Amino acid sequence: AQKVTQAQTEISVVEKEDVTLDCVYETRDTTYYLFWYKQPPSGELVFLIRRNSFDEQNEISGRYSWNFQKSTSSFNFTITASQVVDSAVYFCALSYTGGFKTIFGAGTRLFVKA
Amino acid sequence: GAGVSQSPSNKVTEKGKDVELRCDPISGHTALYWYRQRLGQGLEFLIYFQGNSAPDKSGLPSDRFSAERTGESVSTLTIQRTQQEDSAVYLCASSLGGGRRSSYNEQFFGPGTRLTVL
Repeated sequence: AQKVTQAQTEISVVEKEDVTLDCVYETRDTTYYLFWYKQPPSGELVFLIRRNSFDEQNEISGRYSWNFQKSTSSFNFTITASQVVDSAVYFCALSYTGGFKTIFGAGTRLFVKA
Repeated sequence: GAGVSQSPSNKVTEKGKDVELRCDPISGHTALYWYRQRLGQGLEFLIYFQGNSAPDKSGLPSDRFSAERTGESVSTLTIQRTQQEDSAVYLCASSLGGGRRSSYNEQFFGPGTRLTVL
C-alpha cells in the first residue's frame, strides 16, 4: 500500500528559527516520486520540489532544504531562518510509475510568529 | 500564462440539490485531477483524467459523484443529491505528460470551489 505520514499536525516557531517538517512514506514500488507542496492562507497549493527514488542527493534552494533518506523512507523539509511568509500548510506527496494517483499526507500547518 | 481556474469559487446549496463544479486546466496539460479537502485535512483523491483514456474513478466516494472531461479541456464534477458531509473545498489540478509519465510531473492547482451544503 502507498501511504504518506506527516506526524506533525501543527508547528509554531518564532521568526528566524529553523524548522524541520517530517515526512515518512510507504511504497512497494522501486520507482516513485516524492513531492512537497505549500498551501498558503490564500488556499492555492504550490509545488516546491520533486525527488525521484533513484536520486538521494539532498537539495538546497535558498532557505529551503530537503533530506531524502531511503533507508528510513523519509523526505524531510527544513526551513532555515523562518519568516512570517513561510506560514502555510505543507503537504508531502508520493506518486509512482504505473499509478496515476498522487497520495498526499495530511499536511503540517506551520505558524511563524514575528 | 493562465493558471488553473475553477468556478464557482463558493457554492452554498441545500441538502438534496445537485451541484456542478467546473475546472479549466492549463492549456496543453493532458492530465487533470480532482481532489476533496475537508476543513483542516489533507487532500483526498477523487478522479484522474488523462487525454482520451478512460478516467481513474477509484477515488469517487459514492455514485452520487461523477465527472466528465471533453478531450484535454474543461472538466466538470457533479455531485447529485448533496449531503452535508459533501461540504468541503474541491480542488482541481492539471499536469503535463501522459500515461506512466504523469506520475513524474508536478501538479498545478486551482483556487478551489468551497462547497457548503446546508
